[in-house]
Amino acid sequence: AQTVTQSQPEMSVQEAETVTLSCTYDTSESDYYLFWYKQPPSRQMILVIRQEAYKQQNATENRFSVNFQKAAKSFSLKISDSQLGDAAMYFCAYRTSNRDDKIIFGKGTRLHILP
Amino acid sequence: DTGVSQDPRHKITKRGQNVTFRCDPISEHNRLYWYRQTLGQGPEFLTYFQNEAQLEKSRLLSDRFSAERPKGSFSTLEIQRTEQGDSAMYLCAGGSPWGYTFGSGTRLTVV
Repeated sequence: AQTVTQSQPEMSVQEAETVTLSCTYDTSESDYYLFWYKQPPSRQMILVIRQEAYKQQNATENRFSVNFQKAAKSFSLKISDSQLGDAAMYFCAYRTSNRDDKIIFGKGTRLHILP
Repeated sequence: DTGVSQDPRHKITKRGQNVTFRCDPISEHNRLYWYRQTLGQGPEFLTYFQNEAQLEKSRLLSDRFSAERPKGSFSTLEIQRTEQGDSAMYLCAGGSPWGYTFGSGTRLTVV
């Protein structure tokens, strides 16, 4: 069975600095999707960034980028120029290449932004 | 507004009572997923629908839980004889090829 592990329950970063959230996963599949979701306090979960495993190029969305290491089964999220609005729970998630399949989430990392 | 609505936002119920939650995805979402999220944890999969067909159920979905999506549009999740361990956020998501669109969730508190 596929699993997603986030080893950092909480992290803090100074406003305007850069922070990296870690994620590892386990799968026997060769093709799959990886996601980072953000859940602000008392607000709904939104997709931050996604990565297709067959793509070697790391995904980037504005200040958010990933470091996808397929052989190591590692998928970290880098947030540059951290802003107060980035404070949230961040969930790493996995899905097989079957788009009907369910997404499996990690336990999350709570990110604090220090003014 | 993501287009996925959940009702109610909050529900407080006494142990042993039945509760029902509703999820309205947008019309493009032929797949609909239910998750449960307890405090400090990631969402855990409960069940999902392709149109009106319930295609997968988690072992977390005990026989006190039932979900329906009668016309392939809105979905309901019912919990019978609620227990304190059912207290959680219940999330609904519409599926697209690239991921999910989540609703705001229903927070259930069983007292």
